[in-house]
Amino acid sequence: GNSVTQMEGPVTLSEEAFLTINCTYTATGYPSLFWYVQYPGEGLQLLLKATKADDKGSNKGFEATYRKETTSFHLEKGSVQVSDSAVYFCASPSGSARQLTFGSGTQLTVLP
Amino acid sequence: SQTIHQWPATLVQPVGSPLSLECTVEGTSNPNLYWYRQAAGRGLQLLFYSVGIGQISSEVPQNLSASRPQDRQFILSSKKLLLSDSGFYLCAWSVSGGLNLIQYFGAGTRLSVL
Repeated sequence: GNSVTQMEGPVTLSEEAFLTINCTYTATGYPSLFWYVQYPGEGLQLLLKATKADDKGSNKGFEATYRKETTSFHLEKGSVQVSDSAVYFCASPSGSARQLTFGSGTQLTVLP
Repeated sequence: SQTIHQWPATLVQPVGSPLSLECTVEGTSNPNLYWYRQAAGRGLQLLFYSVGIGQISSEVPQNLSASRPQDRQFILSSKKLLLSDSGFYLCAWSVSGGLNLIQYFGAGTRLSVL
């Protein structure tokens, strides 16, 4: 089935720094790809998605481009804020269309 | 709009005691439902999923079980908790059928087994 490999953390940045969290996928075909965010003590929220190759998902200043050449979906933000401190998960449908497989999560801490 | 509720938010239970966590979804019909566990500092482990009333698929054999007595109700249970059952339990739902694979998560239940 499909799988995603996510950059291990933790990642610590200063406010206004540039963020990249790497995610690569292995899949048959071109599945949808997702980034979820989990703020402390909460469940996961969908941050952004891309449904086909070359799509760019964006939300709250975060972006990720679905690149089939490199089988990647890296998450980027040009200027992080303290409020972006959270765990970020890359996800892709698994072998069953009803399930998602999640990366291991990357803890981001942004310092003021 | 759709909402998902999980309770309790936190739970402290002794080893060997039973467990019942409840999840309900509002504003949608016949959702796919999921239970995940997140151990401290780790990713998500899918425990169970359900595509309809009484239909449960188990992903990981263990001393937990799940039931779906109603269309929008999903219950995670155990007869005897183990220390290793401690973790953060998340319920999620998705639209059944079609190509919309987005999963929507509840706020989670933090379980500590002592």
